[in-house]
Amino acid sequence: GQQVMQIPQYQHVQEGEDFTTYCNSSTTLSNIQWYKQRPGGHPVFLIQLVKSGEVKKQKRLTFQFGEAKKNSSLHITATQTTDVGTYFCAGPTSGTYKYIFGTGTRLKVLA
Amino acid sequence: DAMVIQNPRYQVTQFGKPVTLSCSQTLNHNVMYWYQQKSSQAPKLLFHYYDKDFNNEADTPDNFQSRRPNTSFCFLDIRSPGLGDAAMYLCATSRVGGSGNTIYFGEGSWLTVV
Repeated sequence: GQQVMQIPQYQHVQEGEDFTTYCNSSTTLSNIQWYKQRPGGHPVFLIQLVKSGEVKKQKRLTFQFGEAKKNSSLHITATQTTDVGTYFCAGPTSGTYKYIFGTGTRLKVLA
Repeated sequence: DAMVIQNPRYQVTQFGKPVTLSCSQTLNHNVMYWYQQKSSQAPKLLFHYYDKDFNNEADTPDNFQSRRPNTSFCFLDIRSPGLGDAAMYLCATSRVGGSGNTIYFGEGSWLTVV
């Protein structure tokens, strides 16, 4: 079945360092979404990418959708302690509106 | 204001004792989902309703059932909870249409089985 994998699984960075998580799908995606889940919290929608090669920015966060629409990345510039949490990508299963979540990357920022 | 509300937030149940988790939404979304999330894992879809149509995931155990009496409410019933069912249960909603569907999650119901 369709799989969505993320690397790395965990990342510890010093505050101020950059961070990147990569998302890879086994199938082509019509779109991809990114969510952030704070420790003890619930996933919160960050952004959706639709077009091949699309790049979107939200302040220090940069999201990219691959040309083949099978991979995506989230880059955080100059991390802050408020960036702590798990970042999930999510892609729709083929031909449906159901989203499969990636395995997630847990980010820890050391002050 | 919370748009997807789950109750209870924390539930402790005995092994084998049925439990019901509830979810309500004020978004008027046509799809409601139930996810199970265990520690350090991704949310796993159990089933969802598209309007009144129930859609079960192939690997969801029969122990898990759901009801959607109206557009706003959805329930998750665990008929005989086992220790392995301890997890956070997330209700979510979306409106199907366009080029993608943002999923709005509730704050989750933490289930402990003793």
